[in-house]
Amino acid sequence: RKEVEQDPGPFNVPEGATVAFNCTYSNSASQSFFWYRQDCRKEPKLLMSVYSSGNEDGRFTAQLNRASQYISLLIRDSKLSDSATYLCVVNGRLNTGFQKLVFGTGTRLLVSP
Amino acid sequence: DTGVSQDPRHKITKRGQNVTFRCDPISEHNRLYWYRQTLGQGPEFLTYFQNEAQLEKSRLLSDRFSAERPKGSFSTLEIQRTEQGDSAMYLCASSLASSVETQYFGPGTRLLVL
Repeated sequence: RKEVEQDPGPFNVPEGATVAFNCTYSNSASQSFFWYRQDCRKEPKLLMSVYSSGNEDGRFTAQLNRASQYISLLIRDSKLSDSATYLCVVNGRLNTGFQKLVFGTGTRLLVSP
Repeated sequence: DTGVSQDPRHKITKRGQNVTFRCDPISEHNRLYWYRQTLGQGPEFLTYFQNEAQLEKSRLLSDRFSAERPKGSFSTLEIQRTEQGDSAMYLCASSLASSVETQYFGPGTRLLVL
């Protein structure tokens, strides 16, 4: 089983739509959670961290359910510029104590006019 | 531009050749990471440095791969005797030791092994 699992999509939505992505993780000891955005042929960029209490940044809302080991990202009022791949990321602690970032495969979003 | 830079951006090589990539992190960042990303996958951790010390290596990093960060600033990743399976995007990221989870990525080096 992959450490971080996401539906690869693509999700095709019209402008203005609300879209939600989900992600599950296998390591119950994970402490930190993030969503990164990656545009085609570009590097990943941090979109937002995900907190237990949930957090919102403009049109973007992230939720964490530790009991179900589930993370979500909600995008409201989709814009054409939101078209990208959204990577779910958790930290994974190795035996050495090092915490590495573990990325999901990403969910591709296509917003059309 | 004070972000992470990588060179070259693209590299095409023949199987069996050696290649070397360079990463220049954000200047005040003491941690530097290398990742590999193949099509349809997320980035996979390869190795990281704190200053000049290489502190962690993934099992993905075979003996043909070697990374250095000799002065704790820029880093190089060398792949010897390249194989077609090495074709991927190689991403470098950097962070402060106090904020390891906020990593800033470079634009990547896209490698194609023919």
